[in-house]
Amino acid sequence: QKEVEQDPGPLSVPEGAIVSLNCTYSNSAFQYFMWYRQYSRKGPELLMYTYSSGNKEDGRFTAQVDKSSKYISLFIRDSQPSDSATYLCAMNLQGAQKLVFGQGTRLTINP
Amino acid sequence: NAGVMQNPRHLVRRRGQEARLRCSPMKGHSHVYWYRQLPEEGLKFMVYLQKENIIDESGMPKERFSAEFPKEGPSILRIQQVVRGDSAAYFCASSPPTLYNEQFFGPGTRLTVL
Repeated sequence: QKEVEQDPGPLSVPEGAIVSLNCTYSNSAFQYFMWYRQYSRKGPELLMYTYSSGNKEDGRFTAQVDKSSKYISLFIRDSQPSDSATYLCAMNLQGAQKLVFGQGTRLTINP
Repeated sequence: NAGVMQNPRHLVRRRGQEARLRCSPMKGHSHVYWYRQLPEEGLKFMVYLQKENIIDESGMPKERFSAEFPKEGPSILRIQQVVRGDSAAYFCASSPPTLYNEQFFGPGTRLTVL
């Protein structure tokens, strides 16, 4: 079993829809949770970074962490074609520098 | 304010040759991380370095791979005697000294082994 599980998709939604992206993990010691966006043939770009459980909002993006269920989510409101990319969740332990990534979900927003 | 820089962006090697990948961190960042992304897979941690020190190399293959971050100059990931299975995208990330969870990635080097 992988430490971090993420549905690879692909996920295709119409422009303007609310998108929900999710990851589950097995190590309850993970404390920090990130979401990265990666356009084709580019490096990952840090979108959101949260610590422990709760919600964090940044513009059209909301990150949620439910540590009791070992489940994290990224919501994208009013999705745009420019949001089409692969979204990677990542997490790490307190005091540890290495990030553990999910496989990534490929998202397409159709105009 | 330049981001993380990596070169070359594309590298083609024949089996048995050496590959050298270079990474210059963002200004003010003293921590460097290397990750590998195989086709259709997520990124896998390889090594974490600070200037002149390897801090965590738990993700590095035991043979043929080495990394350094000298006092002056870029970080280098070196792969000796490359094999076809080394074909992947190699990403470097950097972070400030006290915010290691905020890792900023470079554009990657795509290595193809013929």
